Amino acid sequence: GEDVEQSLFLSVREGDSSVINCTYTDSSSTYLYWYKQEPGAGLQLLTYIFSNMDMKQDQRLTVLLNKKDKHLSLRIADTQTGDSAIYFCAENGNTDKLIFGTGTRLQVFP
Amino acid sequence: GAVVSQHPSWVICKSGTSVKIECRSLDFQATTMFWYRQFPKQSLMLMATSNEGSKATYEQGVEKDKFLINHASLTLSTLTVTSAHPEDSSFYICSARGSDQTMSWNEQFFGPGTRLTVL
Repeated sequence: GEDVEQSLFLSVREGDSSVINCTYTDSSSTYLYWYKQEPGAGLQLLTYIFSNMDMKQDQRLTVLLNKKDKHLSLRIADTQTGDSAIYFCAENGNTDKLIFGTGTRLQVFP
Repeated sequence: GAVVSQHPSWVICKSGTSVKIECRSLDFQATTMFWYRQFPKQSLMLMATSNEGSKATYEQGVEKDKFLINHASLTLSTLTVTSAHPEDSSFYICSARGSDQTMSWNEQFFGPGTRLTVL
């Protein structure tokens, strides 16, 4: 079945770049997504990438997709304390259900 | 646009009682709504997929008689936790997908979640 893995924790200094990695198993996903969850809140779609793309940039966010290795990453440039949250990657394979990764807790310190 | 609300935001109940959680799409019609459960420091686990006017489809291991889902209109789905027990304590999150979405583009809009504590 589908399996989406992420590292659990990342700590960065304010102003540095953050890179959050994700590996997935279902190669049939058309889109892959990155969601952000702040404490006690629901999920907010940050960005997404179409599976035939290698890279997508959206302001401070850069998504890289290596389809051969089934590896997805999210880079946040100039990380701010407000970026502290849990980040989930997600894929939907060939279904209408989103499969979420385990989540990476990003902590930004001054 | 695309706002999803949940009510209540938190609830504390006694063991054995039933609790109803509402999920509403405020500014769009949601043909499909999803219910997730999230344990502390863990990912979201899909419980069921709810389509307006039809029975919900439950994921493997989720008891349909325990977690009753009703999707009676294009803007409202409800999850009722029947005879709640302490192990049902969790963060329940719903999401909604608009009627213009396709299977390949699966943008779901998430509610803020409901924290259920069963004593």
